[in-house]
Amino acid sequence: AQRVTQPEKLLSVFKGAPVELKCNYSYSGSPELFWYVQYSRQRLQLLLRHISRESIKGFTADLNKGETSFHLKKPFAQEEDSAMYYCALRWVQKLVFGTGTRLLVSP
Amino acid sequence: DADVTQTPRNRITKTGKRIMLECSQTKGHDRMYWYRQDPGLGLRLIYYSFDVKDINKGEISDGYSVSRQAQAKFSLSLESAIPNQTALYFCATSDYQGGYTFGSGTRLTVV
Repeated sequence: AQRVTQPEKLLSVFKGAPVELKCNYSYSGSPELFWYVQYSRQRLQLLLRHISRESIKGFTADLNKGETSFHLKKPFAQEEDSAMYYCALRWVQKLVFGTGTRLLVSP
Repeated sequence: DADVTQTPRNRITKTGKRIMLECSQTKGHDRMYWYRQDPGLGLRLIYYSFDVKDINKGEISDGYSVSRQAQAKFSLSLESAIPNQTALYFCATSDYQGGYTFGSGTRLTVV
C-alpha cells in the first residue's frame, strides 16, 4: 500500500545550521512527491514538487528511488523556517500525507 | 480574496448535534477534497469528489457525509458529532496536474 513516513516529529536546530527533514515512501509505481509547509496554524502551502526540481526559499529535495526517499534539505536554516512540514505522495489523484515534522529554528 | 474559503473558521458544538462545514472555491477546479488534521497523525482524507456527480470515500469516512452542490461548493457534514471528531478540517481543490490549494481550515471542537 502507498505510504509516506516522516520519522521525526520534531527537529530542533539553531539558526544557520543545516536542515534535513526525512521522508520515505512506499509505492509500487512511479511516484509523484511533494513537500507542503504550514506556518503557525495557517493553510498548507506547496513548497516543492519533485517533478519541477526547483528550489523554494532555499529548500531542495531530491527523489531517490533506490532508497525510496524524498528528503527536504536547506543548508542554512532561518528562524522564519519554523513550521510544520508535510511530505505527500500523489496517488490516483489524491494526496497521501506523512504525519509531519515540526521544524523549530532557534536564534 | 481567498480562492478556497471555509466556513466557519471555528466551531464548538455538543455531542450528538448535526453540523455542516462549508467550502467554496473560485479556482475553477473540478476536484475537491476534505481532510482532517490531528496532532501526530498528519492529514487524513475523509471524502473527495472529482466532479459534481462524483463522490468517493476516503480513508476515514465513517461518521461523515458530503454534498457537492456545485462545482464550486463541497460541504462536509457530521450527522451526530462525537468528541473524537474534534480536529482541524481542511478543504482542498486540485487541477489535473495535481496542484493543490488548501483552505484556511475549520477548527471544530465537540464537547
